[in-house]
Amino acid sequence: DTGVSQDPRHKITKRGQNVTFRCDPISEHNRLYWYRQTLGQGPEFLTYFQNEAQLEKSRLLSDRFSAERPKGSFSTLEIQRTEQGDSAMYLCASMYSGGLGELFFGEGSRLTVL
Amino acid sequence: KQEVTQIPAALSVPEGENLVLNCSFTDSAIYNLQWFRQDPGKGLTSLLLIQSSQREQTSGRLNASLDKSSGRSTLYIAASQPGDSATYLCAVRDTGNQFYFGTGTSLTVIP
Repeated sequence: DTGVSQDPRHKITKRGQNVTFRCDPISEHNRLYWYRQTLGQGPEFLTYFQNEAQLEKSRLLSDRFSAERPKGSFSTLEIQRTEQGDSAMYLCASMYSGGLGELFFGEGSRLTVL
Repeated sequence: KQEVTQIPAALSVPEGENLVLNCSFTDSAIYNLQWFRQDPGKGLTSLLLIQSSQREQTSGRLNASLDKSSGRSTLYIAASQPGDSATYLCAVRDTGNQFYFGTGTSLTVIP
Protein backbone atom coordinates (compact mmCIF):
# COMPACT_ATOMS: atom_id res chain seq x y z
CA ASP A 1 0.00 0.00 0.00
CA THR A 2 1.78 3.08 -1.23
CA GLY A 3 -0.52 5.71 0.25
CA VAL A 4 -2.18 8.65 -1.47
CA SER A 5 0.10 10.27 -4.03
CA GLN A 6 -0.19 13.84 -5.31
CA ASP A 7 1.63 15.55 -8.16
CA PRO A 8 3.12 18.09 -8.46
CA ARG A 9 4.07 18.91 -4.88
CA HIS A 10 4.67 22.54 -5.75
CA LYS A 11 3.41 24.69 -8.59
CA ILE A 12 4.21 28.34 -9.23
CA THR A 13 2.21 29.98 -11.97
CA LYS A 14 1.29 33.38 -13.25
CA ARG A 15 -2.17 34.79 -12.86
CA GLY A 16 -4.43 33.74 -15.71
CA GLN A 17 -2.71 30.45 -16.42
CA ASN A 18 -4.36 27.05 -16.05
CA VAL A 19 -3.01 24.44 -13.65
CA THR A 20 -3.81 20.76 -13.13
CA PHE A 21 -3.16 18.60 -10.09
CA ARG A 22 -3.23 14.83 -10.02
CA CYS A 23 -4.14 12.50 -7.18
CA ASP A 24 -3.61 8.75 -7.05
CA PRO A 25 -5.61 7.29 -4.15
CA ILE A 26 -4.85 4.17 -2.19
CA SER A 27 -5.76 1.23 -4.37
CA GLU A 28 -9.29 -0.09 -3.78
CA HIS A 29 -10.34 3.17 -2.11
CA ASN A 30 -13.56 4.01 -3.91
CA ARG A 31 -14.09 7.45 -2.42
CA LEU A 32 -11.85 10.41 -3.19
CA TYR A 33 -11.99 13.94 -1.78
CA TRP A 34 -10.38 17.23 -2.75
CA TYR A 35 -9.78 19.93 -0.15
CA ARG A 36 -8.13 23.33 -0.13
CA GLN A 37 -6.19 24.58 2.87
CA THR A 38 -4.79 28.02 3.58
CA LEU A 39 -2.40 28.95 6.36
CA GLY A 40 -3.84 28.53 9.83
CA GLN A 41 -7.08 27.01 8.58
CA GLY A 42 -8.47 23.52 8.42
CA PRO A 43 -9.08 21.81 5.08
CA GLU A 44 -12.03 23.24 3.16
CA PHE A 45 -14.13 20.82 1.14
CA LEU A 46 -14.08 21.20 -2.65
CA THR A 47 -15.58 18.03 -4.10
CA TYR A 48 -15.74 14.28 -3.76
CA PHE A 49 -16.12 11.19 -5.93
CA GLN A 50 -17.58 7.77 -5.35
CA ASN A 51 -15.80 5.66 -7.95
CA GLU A 52 -16.00 7.77 -11.13
CA ALA A 53 -19.11 9.71 -10.13
CA GLN A 54 -18.69 13.23 -8.77
CA LEU A 55 -21.32 13.22 -6.03
CA GLU A 56 -20.91 16.61 -4.44
CA LYS A 57 -19.26 19.92 -5.20
CA SER A 58 -18.89 22.83 -2.81
CA ARG A 59 -21.24 25.70 -3.54
CA LEU A 60 -18.32 28.00 -2.88
CA LEU A 61 -16.37 26.44 -5.72
CA SER A 62 -15.91 28.73 -8.68
CA ASP A 63 -16.74 27.54 -12.20
CA ARG A 64 -13.03 27.86 -12.89
CA PHE A 65 -12.50 24.67 -10.88
CA SER A 66 -13.22 21.28 -12.38
CA ALA A 67 -12.40 17.79 -11.24
CA GLU A 68 -12.55 14.40 -12.88
CA ARG A 69 -11.99 10.82 -11.89
CA PRO A 70 -12.07 8.78 -15.07
CA LYS A 71 -12.44 5.03 -14.54
CA GLY A 72 -12.66 5.57 -10.80
CA SER A 73 -8.92 5.50 -10.25
CA PHE A 74 -6.76 8.65 -10.25
CA SER A 75 -8.33 12.09 -10.16
CA THR A 76 -7.39 15.48 -11.58
CA LEU A 77 -8.27 18.94 -10.32
CA GLU A 78 -7.96 21.74 -12.86
CA ILE A 79 -8.05 25.43 -12.10
CA GLN A 80 -8.56 27.69 -15.10
CA ARG A 81 -7.54 31.35 -15.30
CA THR A 82 -5.85 31.24 -11.91
CA GLU A 83 -6.14 34.17 -9.52
CA GLN A 84 -3.92 35.13 -6.62
CA GLY A 85 -6.66 34.05 -4.24
CA ASP A 86 -6.26 30.49 -5.52
CA SER A 87 -2.88 30.25 -3.80
CA ALA A 88 -3.27 27.46 -1.26
CA MET A 89 -2.44 23.84 -0.50
CA TYR A 90 -4.66 21.44 -2.43
CA LEU A 91 -5.13 18.20 -0.56
CA CYS A 92 -6.45 14.90 -1.82
CA ALA A 93 -7.80 12.21 0.48
CA SER A 94 -9.23 8.76 -0.09
CA MET A 95 -11.15 6.16 1.85
CA TYR A 96 -12.92 2.86 1.40
CA SER A 97 -16.62 3.43 1.96
CA GLY A 98 -17.19 -0.14 3.14
CA GLY A 99 -14.60 0.01 5.90
CA LEU A 100 -14.23 1.95 9.13
CA GLY A 101 -14.43 5.24 7.30
CA GLU A 102 -10.85 6.32 7.94
CA LEU A 103 -9.66 9.13 5.69
CA PHE A 104 -6.11 9.10 4.33
CA PHE A 105 -4.45 12.19 2.90
CA GLY A 106 -1.71 12.78 0.38
CA GLU A 107 1.16 15.22 0.92
CA GLY A 108 -0.68 17.97 -0.92
CA SER A 109 0.05 20.20 -3.90
CA ARG A 110 1.04 23.73 -3.01
CA LEU A 111 -0.04 26.36 -5.53
CA THR A 112 1.45 29.84 -5.69
CA VAL A 113 -0.12 32.27 -8.12
CA LEU A 114 2.03 35.32 -8.88
CA LYS B 1 -24.12 22.72 9.42
CA GLN B 2 -21.55 21.06 11.65
CA GLU B 3 -19.02 23.41 13.22
CA VAL B 4 -15.80 22.14 14.75
CA THR B 5 -13.74 24.18 17.20
CA GLN B 6 -10.32 23.44 18.61
CA ILE B 7 -8.98 25.14 21.70
CA PRO B 8 -6.32 26.26 22.32
CA ALA B 9 -5.07 27.44 18.94
CA ALA B 10 -1.49 27.09 20.14
CA LEU B 11 0.18 25.32 23.02
CA SER B 12 3.77 25.23 24.23
CA VAL B 13 4.92 22.67 26.80
CA PRO B 14 8.23 21.40 28.17
CA GLU B 15 9.37 17.95 27.11
CA GLY B 16 7.97 15.12 29.20
CA GLU B 17 4.74 16.85 30.12
CA ASN B 18 1.35 15.21 29.56
CA LEU B 19 -1.11 17.36 27.63
CA VAL B 20 -4.69 17.46 26.41
CA LEU B 21 -5.99 18.92 23.17
CA ASN B 22 -9.67 19.73 22.83
CA CYS B 23 -12.13 19.44 19.98
CA SER B 24 -15.79 20.41 20.15
CA PHE B 25 -18.55 20.01 17.59
CA THR B 26 -22.06 21.37 17.37
CA ASP B 27 -24.07 18.46 15.96
CA SER B 28 -23.93 15.18 17.91
CA ALA B 29 -25.23 13.15 14.95
CA ILE B 30 -21.82 12.00 13.80
CA TYR B 31 -20.51 8.83 12.16
CA ASN B 32 -16.99 9.08 13.52
CA LEU B 33 -14.26 11.46 14.63
CA GLN B 34 -10.67 11.37 13.46
CA TRP B 35 -7.55 13.04 14.85
CA PHE B 36 -4.77 14.05 12.49
CA ARG B 37 -1.28 15.43 12.75
CA GLN B 38 0.07 17.91 10.21
CA ASP B 39 3.69 18.96 9.90
CA PRO B 40 4.49 22.28 8.17
CA GLY B 41 3.96 22.11 4.41
CA LYS B 42 2.78 18.52 4.55
CA GLY B 43 -0.46 16.61 4.34
CA LEU B 44 -2.49 15.24 7.24
CA THR B 45 -1.45 12.01 8.93
CA SER B 46 -4.17 9.98 10.60
CA LEU B 47 -3.56 9.34 14.29
CA LEU B 48 -6.75 7.90 15.72
CA LEU B 49 -10.25 7.14 14.52
CA ILE B 50 -13.15 6.85 16.96
CA GLN B 51 -16.47 5.49 15.81
CA SER B 52 -19.62 7.15 17.15
CA SER B 53 -20.36 4.10 19.31
CA GLN B 54 -16.93 4.17 20.98
CA ARG B 55 -15.77 6.16 23.98
CA GLU B 56 -12.03 6.09 23.39
CA GLN B 57 -9.16 4.80 21.28
CA THR B 58 -5.51 4.38 22.16
CA SER B 59 -2.35 4.20 20.11
CA GLY B 60 0.96 4.24 21.92
CA ARG B 61 1.25 7.50 23.89
CA LEU B 62 -1.96 8.84 22.36
CA ASN B 63 -5.45 8.43 23.76
CA ALA B 64 -8.53 9.97 22.21
CA SER B 65 -11.89 10.15 23.91
CA LEU B 66 -15.31 10.94 22.54
CA ASP B 67 -18.38 12.26 24.35
CA LYS B 68 -20.93 12.51 21.58
CA SER B 69 -23.74 13.84 23.74
CA SER B 70 -21.72 16.85 24.84
CA GLY B 71 -20.07 17.30 21.45
CA ARG B 72 -16.52 16.91 22.70
CA SER B 73 -13.39 14.93 22.02
CA THR B 74 -9.98 15.13 23.64
CA LEU B 75 -6.59 13.95 22.49
CA TYR B 76 -4.29 13.07 25.36
CA ILE B 77 -0.56 12.91 24.66
CA ALA B 78 1.54 11.29 27.35
CA ALA B 79 5.20 12.12 28.02
CA SER B 80 5.47 14.64 25.19
CA GLN B 81 8.59 14.71 23.01
CA PRO B 82 10.02 17.40 20.71
CA GLY B 83 9.06 15.18 17.77
CA ASP B 84 5.41 15.64 18.76
CA SER B 85 5.64 19.28 17.70
CA ALA B 86 3.09 19.74 14.91
CA THR B 87 -0.46 20.94 14.31
CA TYR B 88 -3.17 18.58 15.47
CA LEU B 89 -6.55 18.67 13.74
CA CYS B 90 -9.76 16.88 14.49
CA ALA B 91 -12.33 16.03 11.85
CA VAL B 92 -15.92 15.02 12.35
CA ARG B 93 -17.68 12.89 9.76
CA ASP B 94 -21.41 13.45 9.58
CA THR B 95 -23.89 10.68 8.91
CA GLY B 96 -23.50 11.36 5.22
CA ASN B 97 -20.17 11.58 3.47
CA GLN B 98 -18.90 14.94 4.65
CA PHE B 99 -15.98 15.70 6.95
CA TYR B 100 -15.73 18.90 8.97
CA PHE B 101 -12.35 20.04 10.22
CA GLY B 102 -11.25 22.24 13.05
CA THR B 103 -8.55 24.85 12.54
CA GLY B 104 -6.10 22.85 14.61
CA THR B 105 -3.93 23.26 17.68
CA SER B 106 -0.29 24.10 17.03
CA LEU B 107 1.82 22.21 19.56
CA THR B 108 5.40 23.04 20.41
CA VAL B 109 7.30 20.72 22.76
CA ILE B 110 10.37 22.45 24.17
CA PRO B 111 13.43 20.25 24.80
